[in-house]
Amino acid sequence: DTGVSQDPRHKITKRGQNVTFRCDPISEHNRLYWYRQTLGQGPEFLTYFQNEAQLEKSRLLSDRFSAERPKGSFSTLEIQRTEQGDSAMYLCASSPPAAVEAFFGQGTRLTVV
Amino acid sequence: AQSVTQLDSQVPVFEEAPVELRCNYSSSVSVYLFWYVQYPNQGLQLLLKYLSGSTLVKGINGFEAEFNKSQTSFHLRKPSVHISDTAEYFCAVSDQRGGADGLTFGKGTHLIIQP
Repeated sequence: DTGVSQDPRHKITKRGQNVTFRCDPISEHNRLYWYRQTLGQGPEFLTYFQNEAQLEKSRLLSDRFSAERPKGSFSTLEIQRTEQGDSAMYLCASSPPAAVEAFFGQGTRLTVV
Repeated sequence: AQSVTQLDSQVPVFEEAPVELRCNYSSSVSVYLFWYVQYPNQGLQLLLKYLSGSTLVKGINGFEAEFNKSQTSFHLRKPSVHISDTAEYFCAVSDQRGGADGLTFGKGTHLIIQP
């Protein structure tokens, strides 16, 4: 059973550097979400894809953040010019058609030093 | 827009005792309700969900939750906890319009099982 896969699991980067995370959803899941979770908080919605189309973006997704889902399969989340406030766990989730629950990956923990 | 309030940030309980984790929500539209569990440095795992129908829903690992529309609550319960239940528990809602806005989560409740 292959669940949602995220890579890398951990990333330490210096302030000002760019980072890119990858998410591979469960096969046949056409909907994909990115969330950000900071320490002591619940996950916060960042963006939503249905197939390859990015249909929703949160106010949290500043112009330094960009997400793509080419061909409607895997997705990438890039953060440019990282800041210390970007340190968080970035979670990816996917959902199959006509289902309401989301299946989460194990997350990528980003530390900006 | 929706919001979720988890009234307790931390709940200590002795092993084999019952537990209730409280969740209240606010929404101007009809919602679906979920409980997720997160173990340290892991993603979230779905415990149970309420979509419609019976207000008492059963989930994995012996957990259950009851939807109360008048009180806008969705409290999670387990009659007898085990040390392995130590984790962070998140209540979440999504609107019924298709899920494009994703899930709105509470801040979480840390369940601490004491031997």
